[in-house]
Amino acid sequence: AQSVTQPDIHITVSEGASLELRCNYSYGATPYLFWYVQSPGQGLQLLLKYFSGDTLVQGIKGFEAEFKRSQSSFNLRKPSVHWSDAAEYFCAVGASGTYKYIFGTGTRLKVLA
Amino acid sequence: EPEVTQTPSHQVTQMGQEVILRCVPISNHLYFYWYRQILGQKVEFLVSFYNNEISEKSEIFDDQFSVERPDGSNFTLKIRSTKLEDSAMYFCASILGGAGETQYFGPGTRLLVL
Repeated sequence: AQSVTQPDIHITVSEGASLELRCNYSYGATPYLFWYVQSPGQGLQLLLKYFSGDTLVQGIKGFEAEFKRSQSSFNLRKPSVHWSDAAEYFCAVGASGTYKYIFGTGTRLKVLA
Repeated sequence: EPEVTQTPSHQVTQMGQEVILRCVPISNHLYFYWYRQILGQKVEFLVSFYNNEISEKSEIFDDQFSVERPDGSNFTLKIRSTKLEDSAMYFCASILGGAGETQYFGPGTRLLVL
């Protein structure tokens, strides 16, 4: 069955530190992968996506993610975190056919000043 | 930039009442979705809709739920008899259709069932 796992429920980093949020997926075919960010009480904003080509993708707000097929992973990274990055981050895989998204459980990021 | 809109932004209802959540997808999109997010939990797929019919639904989407595209622009989710556990944020999304395309999400409707 298709699934997405985000092993870290909470992550705390200091402002200016680097960040890596983990995402593992289980999907039979070539996955279409997405990272979304959700600020408290807000909707979902797309950070970046991967569906083919270069396995390192750049997104908005200085985020990047690397698709590693051998590890079934699509980890999100940022070299220097800003206080405004505090939010919940969701990884998702897009299923073929109906194109529905399957979301992970999310990682809540806290940034220390 | 085109966007998906949802109304109302918040709705409070009594248990057992019917609610209708409304969405206006992006005009040239062909696939439409409803997702649910219970407070503090992940976003869950409810239903997808294409060519005026349900193309897939999750086990959450039972007989109490229905969807409709009544006029070619609106896309609605109806809950016939709300339960306490229906309290959640409901997101509408749409996509033109095609591998790797991005779904555009609306801002959500927060439903509270008392």
